[in-house]
Amino acid sequence: EVQLVESGGGLVQPGRSLRLSCTSSGFTFGAHAMAWVRQAPGKGLEWVGFITSKTYGGTTEYAASVQGRFTISRDDSQGVAYLQMSSLKTEDSAVYFCTRNAGVEWLRTYFFDHWGQGTLVTVSS
Amino acid sequence: DIQMTQSPSSLSASVGDRVTITCRASQLISNHLNWYQQKPGKAPNLLIFGSSNLQSGVPSRFSGSGSGADFTLTISSLHPEDFATYYCQQSYTSLATFGQGTKVEIK
Repeated sequence: EVQLVESGGGLVQPGRSLRLSCTSSGFTFGAHAMAWVRQAPGKGLEWVGFITSKTYGGTTEYAASVQGRFTISRDDSQGVAYLQMSSLKTEDSAVYFCTRNAGVEWLRTYFFDHWGQGTLVTVSS
Repeated sequence: DIQMTQSPSSLSASVGDRVTITCRASQLISNHLNWYQQKPGKAPNLLIFGSSNLQSGVPSRFSGSGSGADFTLTISSLHPEDFATYYCQQSYTSLATFGQGTKVEIK
C-alpha cells in the first residue's frame, strides 16, 4: 500500500524557516516525481512545486508565490521528500500535502494519485 | 499561468440526482484535465485523469468529458458519500493549477 506521511509542521514566526518531510512507503520512491500542494484554512488547493525523479534530473519548479523562498529536495535512499520553507509569511499558513505524481514525466504532465494526510503550518507572531 | 474556473462554486442536490460540474481553462489544454474529490479534514482523492479516464477504484457513476478549454465532471446518481468538494486541475503545463472548487451539499 502506498503511503505518504508528512511531518514537521507547527507554529512559526514570520520571517523564520521550517522544513517539512514526506516519508514514503509501498512504492519505488525514486521512480516518481513528487509534489507539494497546500490549502489555507477554508480555501482551495494551491500547487506549491515539484521535484522530478533523478532520471529526469531531479529538477524543481515552484509556484510564483513561493519562488525564491521554498526549496524542494529528495533523498531517494530514504524515500523522503522535503520542503524547505524560508522567509515565511502569514499567507503561507496552510495544510501542506505531499503528493505522488502519476503523470508522464517525459511529457512534463503532473497530476497526483496519492496524497499524504497533510501537516499544518501556522505562521504567526 | 493557466487559470482554471469552476462553476458553480456550490450546489445543493439530493441523493439520486444527476450532478454536473464544469471547469474552464483560460487557454487550450487539450485533454490534460484532472478531477479530485475532497471531504472535510481529508486529503484530496483523484477521480478522473486525462479528462475522461476513471482512476482505479473510483465508482463508475463518476465520469468526465471535454477537450480544449471546457470540461465536465458528472455524477450520474448522487450517493450520500459523494457530498464533498470537487476540484479540477490542469496538467497541460508543469506549473499545475487548480480550480477554486465546487462544494456539493445536501438539499
